[in-house]
Amino acid sequence: SQQGEEDPQALSIQEGENATMNCSYKTSINNLQWYRQNSGRGLVHLILIRSNEREKHSGRLRVTLDTSKKSSSLLITASRAADTASYFCATDRGETSGSRLTFGEGTQLTVNP
Amino acid sequence: DGGITQSPKYLFRKEGQNVTLSCEQNLNHDAMYWYRQDPGQGLRLIYYSQIVNDFQKGDIAEGYSVSREKKESFPLTVTSAQKNPTAFYLCASSMRGDQPQHFGDGTRLSIL
Repeated sequence: SQQGEEDPQALSIQEGENATMNCSYKTSINNLQWYRQNSGRGLVHLILIRSNEREKHSGRLRVTLDTSKKSSSLLITASRAADTASYFCATDRGETSGSRLTFGEGTQLTVNP
Repeated sequence: DGGITQSPKYLFRKEGQNVTLSCEQNLNHDAMYWYRQDPGQGLRLIYYSQIVNDFQKGDIAEGYSVSREKKESFPLTVTSAQKNPTAFYLCASSMRGDQPQHFGDGTRLSIL
């Protein structure tokens, strides 16, 4: 079963606007990661936030994590047409020495020029 | 450039046929993973390997098999027992510990 659920499933905005995507999960986690996927391509890692962290920034990306609510959000500021892609959250429950991730179903973001 | 290479990009399977998808990485990563992605959905884990000569089943391993004879390579065989193999298959690798995964560009498998 999927650990993470993204909300909304689809989001359409104009260039320059901010985009916010949310992710909820069910069990305790070691870390939560956000990935981006362009159509027909592999996933690209965006940001990793550990369970003892509340907020992380990377360029125009801001991720928050609320472990009490079992939720995370990804904010993309000043969006560009090139940000059009699917965005996935993935949770790592720390069960293996590697990184066994459980992915949500994603948010399809469309940024209109 | 370091990265993960998946081949072929497109693959067609006939009824009753086994097919093998290739995944090679030169990132010196210990762990490798295979995922299946169906249209409009997230990724589901098929198999993963944390070290050479060892691998574990993921959430949807039935009808699939893997081997890990070399650190760089983690091929996936889709057997005839997998009745609905049409999907996009993604391979990934990572360092040990709290590290992100690096993905290949996928193989799209269809039924003839």
